[in-house]
Amino acid sequence: EVQLVESGGDLVQTGGSLRLSCAVSGFRIGDYEMNWVRQAPGKGPEWISYISSLGGTIHYADSVKGRFAISRDNANNFLYLQMNSLRVEDTAVYYCARVHRVGELWFDPWGQGTLVTVSS
Amino acid sequence: EIVLTQSPATLSLSPGERATLSCRASQSVRSYLAWYQQKPGQAPRLLIYDTSIRATGIPARFSGSGSGTDFTLTISSLEPEDFAVYYCQQRSSWPPLTFGGGTKVEIK
Repeated sequence: EVQLVESGGDLVQTGGSLRLSCAVSGFRIGDYEMNWVRQAPGKGPEWISYISSLGGTIHYADSVKGRFAISRDNANNFLYLQMNSLRVEDTAVYYCARVHRVGELWFDPWGQGTLVTVSS
Repeated sequence: EIVLTQSPATLSLSPGERATLSCRASQSVRSYLAWYQQKPGQAPRLLIYDTSIRATGIPARFSGSGSGTDFTLTISSLEPEDFAVYYCQQRSSWPPLTFGGGTKVEIK
């Protein structure tokens, strides 16, 4: 069974840092491009970061560029998101999401999400 | 950045009725549009991709159509489990990958 399980969400103060993890099972993470997508309370999803299968290509949304860093450990089937200089507006549920098929940037499947709350 | 505008924001219908949801793009996304369903407390689920291809396990009552800038998700006959929020997403021009603001399908 394909599973993605996020962890690392927490309550943090403005300016703080967090590292989110996404543990993958049921497929080889190294075969797929991966993404982080977040969803603020009562809002729609917002894509924030992409990493190619071998990590050679990375993209970020402007809202997190320069503050967040995506990485992956293909040997151990993990995806990460290092979040620095956190702002109140970063408060959201953070999902890791695999691409549906290689080269097709539809998000499927998704993890269950981990909540990040940034307080001033 | 391609902006996706969904309408209506809320659709109030009864089980068995037909639901028609709209997604309009600020510029052409060709056929590179997908639809997701999200229920409370759950992650979004891929329903339709490349405008009209149903994802694995998605019932035939869900169908997608359109091209360029105007797209439609149709649910032919609403089942109780279909009441949820629906989002469209484009991958034609990125980064960024973008989502619409959502349409809530609620029970009338």
